[in-house]
Amino acid sequence: QVQLVQSGAEVKKPGASVKVSCKASGYTFTDYYMHWVRQAPGQGLEWMGIINPSGGSTSYAQNFQGRVTMTSDTSRSTVSMELSSLRSEDTAVYYCARGVAYYDAFDIWGQGTMVTVSS
Amino acid sequence: QSVLTQSPSASGTPGQRVTISCSGSSSNIGSNYVYWYQQLPGTAPKLLIYRNNQRPSGVPDRFSGSKSGTSASLAISGLRSEDEADYYCAAWDDSLSGWVFGGGTKLTVL
Repeated sequence: QVQLVQSGAEVKKPGASVKVSCKASGYTFTDYYMHWVRQAPGQGLEWMGIINPSGGSTSYAQNFQGRVTMTSDTSRSTVSMELSSLRSEDTAVYYCARGVAYYDAFDIWGQGTMVTVSS
Repeated sequence: QSVLTQSPSASGTPGQRVTISCSGSSSNIGSNYVYWYQQLPGTAPKLLIYRNNQRPSGVPDRFSGSKSGTSASLAISGLRSEDEADYYCAAWDDSLSGWVFGGGTKLTVL
């Protein structure tokens, strides 16, 4: 079945970087976009950006420009999201979500990866 | 502060019909499709409604979506205890060149 499996929880110190991976299975990896969305504890959803696994082109939300990097490895059907210069406000669950098209639904979501930023 | 505005909470009793609203602007809801996501406690969001009023396969027809101008609504009829969840609206925003979400509505089934 179609699924997205994310890497495990991370604990990082302020100023460090974190890399979260998302492995896709059950569909043709390069036929769909991949979004990253985060959710701080008790808060709503926040879109971080999108990557086209076919070619690797990206677009990042203004709030994350300069701090986020999304990459794709087609040989492993895996996308990754790296967030740098971490601060306590980055403590959140990070989700990858498959995009039917650039401007269309996020139809399949990963299980989420908890990233905790604490000194 | 979320770009799309939702009431923080809603409630209803089993069997009732409940409506959750989402308000935006001309740059998002006014010119693009609206999507709704359901997030059950402790789980990842799930696509509930796409392109304003379309249901993915497997979503009961108790759930329906609509859009008018710069606002959208999600209606749930025949409310069930398993509908207790957080509901988020989303849309593409032309001005921000990005996806925006509502702050979420927590639905309680009394």
